[in-house]
Amino acid sequence: AQSVAQPEDQVNVAEGNPLTVKCTYSVSGNPYLFWYVQYPNRGLQFLLKYITGDNLVKGSYGFEAEFNKSQTSFHLKKPSALVSDSALYFCAVRDIGSSNTGKLIFGQGTTLQVKP
Amino acid sequence: DTEVTQTPKHLVMGMTNKKSLKCEQHMGHRAMYWYKQKAKKPPELMFVYSYEKLSINESVPSRFSPECPNSSLLNLHLHALQPEDSALYLCASSQPTSGGKRNIQYFGAGTRLSVL
Repeated sequence: AQSVAQPEDQVNVAEGNPLTVKCTYSVSGNPYLFWYVQYPNRGLQFLLKYITGDNLVKGSYGFEAEFNKSQTSFHLKKPSALVSDSALYFCAVRDIGSSNTGKLIFGQGTTLQVKP
Repeated sequence: DTEVTQTPKHLVMGMTNKKSLKCEQHMGHRAMYWYKQKAKKPPELMFVYSYEKLSINESVPSRFSPECPNSSLLNLHLHALQPEDSALYLCASSQPTSGGKRNIQYFGAGTRLSVL
């Protein structure tokens, strides 16, 4: 069965410092991986995706993610955190058994708190 | 434009009421999704429509009844709900192709439902 894990419930970082939000995955075959962000009382916003190709994926709002096949990880990173980056972050993998429906399997989420 | 519009934003209903949630997108997407999300938890998939036909029902109770009247609209009809059904209901849409490149799901802001 496919799954993603986000080992940290919360990550705290000071504004201006680099941030990392961790995600590991377990899939059979090639993974299709996504990061979404959710601000309070809002829907999920797409940040970036990995399908194939370069292991460093660049996304919205200065975020990037590094795909590491040997470690089965897809960590989200940003060189310099902003207070406005404080939100709930979800890693997700596409369920390859879902044919054309694009069903996503989400991690449990990581709350990012950026302090001034 | 990557907008998915959900109405209403908030809904309070009694356990005997009948209400409907509405979702609309004009991105030409032919897959649409309903999710239920509890606070600080990942979204839980409820239904998937592909080309206006129901393709996935994640064993959702019959008090939730989805409808896809056309390629731009998705409704969720609610009847005889329970207090534990109180949650944020999210709609999403995507291209239903088998290639992962197009399977980015775009989410609406959600309807906050309270069942009294």
